[in-house]
Amino acid sequence: ETGVTQTPRHLVMGMTNKKSLKCEQHLGHNAMYWYKQSAKKPLELMFVYNFKEQTENNSVPSRFSPECPNSSHLFLHLHTLQPEDSALYLCASRDSLGVNEQFFGPGTRLTVL
Amino acid sequence: GENVEQHPSTLSVQEGDSAVIKCTYSDSASNYFPWYKQELGKRPQLIIDIRSNVGEKKDQRIAVTLNKTAKHFSLHITETQPEDSAVYFCAASRAFGNQFYFGTGTSLTVIP
Repeated sequence: ETGVTQTPRHLVMGMTNKKSLKCEQHLGHNAMYWYKQSAKKPLELMFVYNFKEQTENNSVPSRFSPECPNSSHLFLHLHTLQPEDSALYLCASRDSLGVNEQFFGPGTRLTVL
Repeated sequence: GENVEQHPSTLSVQEGDSAVIKCTYSDSASNYFPWYKQELGKRPQLIIDIRSNVGEKKDQRIAVTLNKTAKHFSLHITETQPEDSAVYFCAASRAFGNQFYFGTGTSLTVIP
C-alpha cells in the first residue's frame, strides 16, 4: 500500500540527538495527523493539520515540533527526547470535507536511549 | 471533550465462534464511528464504519450496531477465523470535525 508513507520505519536516537520523521500522502487529502501509539494505551492524537494550518495540538511537549509545508507532507521534528517518548508514531490523512475515514501510514518505531 | 471506552481489552474465542467488542462514548455530537483492525507490526486499517443516521451496518462477517440514545456501539464478528486475530480499535468523531477519539483497543485471539 502506498497511499500514506512514512520514513524512516525505525529510528534509534539518543536523548541529545535531533531527528525528523516524515510522512507523505498520495491520496489528495487535506488533513494530516500525528499520533503516538504506546503499549497498552489508546492512540494519542498529537497534532492535526487541515489545509496546512495546525488545528489541534493536544498539549504535546515542545520537544516535538510539527511542520506541514503542504497538504501532502507532514514532518515531526524531534529534539532532546526522553526514553518515555519511545513509541510507534503514526501519521494519518483524511479528506476533511465531510465524514471521511482516516488512512494510516505504517508508522515509525522510535526508540530513545 | 469526547471520552471513548472500549471493552474487553482482551478476548479469546474458538474458531467459528462469534466475537463482540463494545464501545461507549460521551459526546452526543459525535456522529461517525469507525472500527480499525491492527495486525501485529502493521498499520491500523478501517474495517467498517457507521454514521449516526443508521443503527446497523453489515459487511460479510462483520457488523456494527449503534445505539445513539445509550451512546454505545459494538463490533460483531461472526464465524471467526485465525486471521481475525488482531487488535481492534473503535473511534468516535464529529462530522466535519478533525479529532478522532480512540478506544484503548481489544486484542482478539482466535484459537484454531
